[in-house]
Amino acid sequence: DAGITQSPRHKVTETGTPVTLRCHQTENHRYMYWYRQDPGHGLRLIHYSYGVKDTDKGEVSDGYSVSRSKTEDFLLTLESATSSQTSVYFCAISLAGSEETQYFGPGTRLLVL
Amino acid sequence: GESVGLHLPTLSVQEGDNSIINCAYSNSASDYFIWYKQESGKGPQFIIDIRSNMDKRQGQRVTVLLNKTVKHLSLQIAATQPGDSAVYFCADSASGTYKYIFGTGTRLKVLA
Repeated sequence: DAGITQSPRHKVTETGTPVTLRCHQTENHRYMYWYRQDPGHGLRLIHYSYGVKDTDKGEVSDGYSVSRSKTEDFLLTLESATSSQTSVYFCAISLAGSEETQYFGPGTRLLVL
Repeated sequence: GESVGLHLPTLSVQEGDNSIINCAYSNSASDYFIWYKQESGKGPQFIIDIRSNMDKRQGQRVTVLLNKTVKHLSLQIAATQPGDSAVYFCADSASGTYKYIFGTGTRLKVLA
């Protein structure tokens, strides 16, 4: 799992509430990514980071924000959760010198009621 | 638009047989390809990768073949074992983008 942990692993919340998911890595990787996985779709990139305070949008970034104030943590926030954001969220990292290869965390299963 | 897809959503094979999982991609600029394995309730696990300057790459019991002419990628698993049962994804990216297009996955079922 390339030293990646995600928290919480499961969460149930209500529509309209804010939610923050955490991705933590212990190996000082520069690149970090957030994806969502839904039935009938391949993994889709939400946001990614290429360094502390350096982030950029992916293909499905609407309704999500991210922050990276230190190398080891990449936070994904749903400002006001909607039922369409019910999904499994995966964090990924790239290794230095092999930035193209992404390794994934265990995932967070989010249910928005 | 860009897409990476799989021809077979479910593949059932007998234990000990070889498995072949196929994938098509559409972006002619893609030059890096990865196969992932995902077991139920877990994150995708890197299996093997290949760059566009290669046609074939082998790992432990796995081989990836790349046909750039027809934009086709395949994963071959030799002597398939019960532990190989999972969903397999392919993904592609173009140099320097660090952004992938993932396929929807093929479920491999190994029959005892």
